[in-house]
Amino acid sequence: QVQLVESGGGVVQPGRSLRLSCEASGFALSRYGMHWIRQAPGKGLEWVAVIWYDGSEKYYADPVKGRFTISRDNSKNTLSLQMSSLRGDDTAVYYCVREAGHFDLWGQGTLVTVSS
Amino acid sequence: EIVMTQSPATLSVSPGERATLSCRASQSITTNLAWYQQKPGQAPRLLIYGASTRATGIPARFSGSGSGTEFTLTISSLQSEDVAVYYCQQYNNWPLTWTFGLGTKVEVK
Repeated sequence: QVQLVESGGGVVQPGRSLRLSCEASGFALSRYGMHWIRQAPGKGLEWVAVIWYDGSEKYYADPVKGRFTISRDNSKNTLSLQMSSLRGDDTAVYYCVREAGHFDLWGQGTLVTVSS
Repeated sequence: EIVMTQSPATLSVSPGERATLSCRASQSITTNLAWYQQKPGQAPRLLIYGASTRATGIPARFSGSGSGTEFTLTISSLQSEDVAVYYCQQYNNWPLTWTFGLGTKVEVK
């Protein structure tokens, strides 16, 4: 079954770090660019970061630049997002998303809540 | 940054009637435009890409049109299961950005 499954979300204090993971199954992760997209409670969709299919290029949205790091391990079919210096406005559901130009496959999302 | 503007914010349509959703880009994105459907508590689902190509498994009542800066998603005959928020998204090559509109919430009247 072709799917993406995120994990690693939870409640974290402001200023702390958290690492999200995404496991791909049913397809070769190495063939696709991969993104993280987030959605704050009751809000719209916000693109967070992208990594090229081979990991050679990475780009970040301005609000997370310098704090978040996207990475991948194609041999394990996994994508990761290391988040540091977390803030309240980072509270959101984080989706792992496959790109084929457009976003053609989404995970179910993992909730990150930044709160003291 | 390319800004995507969707209208209306909320659309109430009677079952069986046509729903027309609009999306405008702040600069030309040719046909690098996708539409997504998000039902409550679910992840978004791809409906349309390339402005007018239906994704796999999407019913024919969903259609997309437009190019450049003006785009439309049409639901030809609204069904109760179409209640959702619909987002447009651009994936233009330059500048290298991926941005979403704020969404249109479709309700059954």
